[in-house]
Amino acid sequence: ILNVEQSPQSLHVQEGDSTNFTCSFPSSNFYALHWYRWETAKSPEALFVMTLNGDEKKKGRISATLNTKEGYSYLYIKGSQPEDSATYLCALNNNAGNMLTFGGGTRLMVKP
Amino acid sequence: KAGVTQTPRYLIKTRGQQVTLSCSPISGHRSVSWYQQTPGQGLQFLFEYFSETQRNKGNFPGRFSGRQFSNSRSEMNVSTLELGDSALYLCASSGTGGRGAFFGQGTRLTVV
Repeated sequence: ILNVEQSPQSLHVQEGDSTNFTCSFPSSNFYALHWYRWETAKSPEALFVMTLNGDEKKKGRISATLNTKEGYSYLYIKGSQPEDSATYLCALNNNAGNMLTFGGGTRLMVKP
Repeated sequence: KAGVTQTPRYLIKTRGQQVTLSCSPISGHRSVSWYQQTPGQGLQFLFEYFSETQRNKGNFPGRFSGRQFSNSRSEMNVSTLELGDSALYLCASSGTGGRGAFFGQGTRLTVV
């Protein structure tokens, strides 16, 4: 059974603050790491799919890095806005299919 | 392009009954996965279907089953419902190209 861990569980920041969260996973049998944003009453929204060690991806104010050798990924949000408030999930894909093992998520609340 | 559609959105069933949930993937996607989300457990993988065949299976009892049709639509069935089956059931579709999984809005099942 894979163990994907995310920290912190929740985070309260002020508008304009930059923040980051961590996703840790077993470094063996790695295939891909996914980041999702999940807003209340909506579907989880795909942010990034990362496959290569050292990968860095960026989408607007959000970026992510990946270290497969040590088994972690960081998600960064620069200049947080209230609309960034959501749960951020990482998920590990360890085979060629589409089975994802999710972490518990980091719930971000951005205060105006 | 239409997104992933799940029906129904909400469902209330009695213990011992059975239920069938439906998922229509994004056009062209051949992989459909199902996940269960409960407050204490986070998102747990149920199974994945690809081209009408089950490709991956999670650790759920045999009361949980699924199938996929030739048009890639998928159904999930839960027999002999228990109170603990109350959850949000999410379906995700995936295509080729490593772009990740796209989720529907889910079916909220309440067992009373």
